[in-house]
Amino acid sequence: QVQLQESGPGLVKPSETLSLTCTVSGGYISSGSYYWNWIRQPPGKGLEWIGYISYDGSTNYNPSLKSRVIISMDRSKNQFSLNLSSVTAADTAVYYCAREYINSWFGYWGQGTLLTVSS
Amino acid sequence: DIQMTQSPSSLSASVGDRVTISCRTSQNINIYVNWYQQIPGKAPKLLIYAASSLQSGVPSRFSGSGSGTDFTLTISSLQPDDFATYYCQQSDSTPYTFGQGTKVEIK
Repeated sequence: QVQLQESGPGLVKPSETLSLTCTVSGGYISSGSYYWNWIRQPPGKGLEWIGYISYDGSTNYNPSLKSRVIISMDRSKNQFSLNLSSVTAADTAVYYCAREYINSWFGYWGQGTLLTVSS
Repeated sequence: DIQMTQSPSSLSASVGDRVTISCRTSQNINIYVNWYQQIPGKAPKLLIYAASSLQSGVPSRFSGSGSGTDFTLTISSLQPDDFATYYCQQSDSTPYTFGQGTKVEIK
């Protein structure tokens, strides 16, 4: 059974860079057929797709965030990470990592981590 | 971007009721729609993929239908565990997008 677990600082100051990590167990991130995604949800609002990194390391980002986002992977730790630069209060959200069967659906999700942007 | 419009935004229903939630897309996306259930404080859970396929372990009272631009999620007999928010999502093209959600509340 695949499990995903997000981790991060919880609080980031405006203009700084947000860094979150998703640790995957029960499967290898470098095995074929899957994309590894980040999705966020501002408090009381809907879901927004941020982007993914493929099993082969290629990436795809939401154009609305593309200039500020980097998603990377560490195969040795079976983790993938999100860096979001120049954060503002609008980036306050619960951040989820999720596994996607290529171009299909998000079958497995982490439990989510709340990231607050505040000075 | 493909826009996803869900209706209604919220509804009140009783245990045992049949519930239907609609999702309309801004362009033809064949069957590339998925449905998720989100209970407050929890991550979304996949219910239906590719418009009408039931995810393993999901009760059979959930069903999905539609193709092209109009899609429907149906709960045949609402149960206490089903009071939640439901989202549609398109996987036809990136950026992936979600509907705004439909909150199902107890009448």
